[in-house]
This record gives sequence, C-alpha cells and structure tokens, in this order.
Amino acid sequence: RKEVEQDPGPFNVPEGATVAFNCTYSNSASQSFFWYRQDCRKEPKLLMSVYSSGNEDGRFTAQLNRASQYISLLIRDSKLSDSATYLCVVEGQAGTALIFGKGTTLSVSS
Amino acid sequence: ETGVTQSPTHLIKTRGQQVTLRCSSQSGHNTVSWYQQALGQGPQFIFQYYREEENGRGNFPPRFSGLQFPNYSSELNVNALELDDSALYLCASSFATDTQYFGPGTRLTVL
Repeated sequence: RKEVEQDPGPFNVPEGATVAFNCTYSNSASQSFFWYRQDCRKEPKLLMSVYSSGNEDGRFTAQLNRASQYISLLIRDSKLSDSATYLCVVEGQAGTALIFGKGTTLSVSS
Repeated sequence: ETGVTQSPTHLIKTRGQQVTLRCSSQSGHNTVSWYQQALGQGPQFIFQYYREEENGRGNFPPRFSGLQFPNYSSELNVNALELDDSALYLCASSFATDTQYFGPGTRLTVL
C-alpha cells in the first residue's frame, strides 16, 4: 500500500462548481497533514494545513479523519485560477520528510 | 515568492556523468530538504540537512549525496547518472520542522 493515495483524477468542472478531493494515508502515527497546490512546471506551494477539527480558508475547506486515516479538500465556487494539481501531503520521519501523494489534476473551464 | 532559489534552472547531462545542483535557503531558515519529482508523480524525499548535518534520508542510493554550508545553502550531488534520474529536483527550506517552502526547481534531463 502506498503511503499517501489520492483520487486519480483528472477532474474537469465548470466555473462555480464544488469539487472534492480525497486522500488516504497509511501511517497511523503521522501528526501533520497538508494540501499543496502545484501549477504546471512550477514548484508546490502550501495551500493549507489540515487539522482534526477541520479548517476553512475562504472557498477551501480541509478535513482530517484520524480514525479512517482520511483527508479531504473541498473547493466551493471553483474559479478558472483554481486549475492546478493538488497534492495531499503527510509529514513523516519525525518532522523531516514530507510524503506526497501523486496529485490530482483539476481543470476548471468557463 | 518564497525566497528560496535554485540553480541551474535546466540541465542536460548524459548517462554516467555527475551533476551538482544548488539551493539557497530563505533568510532565517536552517534546514534544507531535497525532493525528486518525476513526470506525473508527486515529489519524493531524498534527504534533509539541518545545521550542516544529514537529518533523514529517503529511499535513494548512495550516489545521491549532499552538503549544507554554514550559510545554510545546500548542494545535491548525483554521480553515475542514469536515464531514470531525469526529473524536477526541488529543494525546500524551513526553520527546523516548521513549514517547508519550495524553490522553483532544477529540471534535469539525462540522455
């Protein structure tokens, strides 16, 4: 089983749509979780950290379910500028390595 | 911008050659992590340097080695290049285990 697994995608949605990405992780001892965004041929950028209580940043909501080892990202009212690859990330090795999923590609069209 | 810089931006090498990639960390950061991102994959952790010492290593062979300097900049060296080493190499700087900020990457092509 891979350490971090994501929906394969790609997701093609119209502007204004709500889209959800899911991710599972294998190490139950993991403590920190993130969503990163990566534009084509660019570096990954931190979108948001994920907390057990859930957290929201504008149109973006992240949820963590430790019992199921499951992480989600919800994007409401999608914009053309949301088109990117979204990477689910789990912190491993006592705070050193970031373990990335393969990424899910989102394409928002007008 | 994150303030993390990498050089060169692109590089073409042939099999068997050696390559050195460089990373300058963000001001105030003392930790540099290196990742390899193959096409269509997520980044994979190579190793991390904290205050000039290796502080964790991923599943990469010994021909991948690194250094961190007193100013916290870092180098990634790859010997005996193989075709599968073609990838985007990313460095990320942080203050200890705080948030990692990525540089723009070096795209390495091995022919």
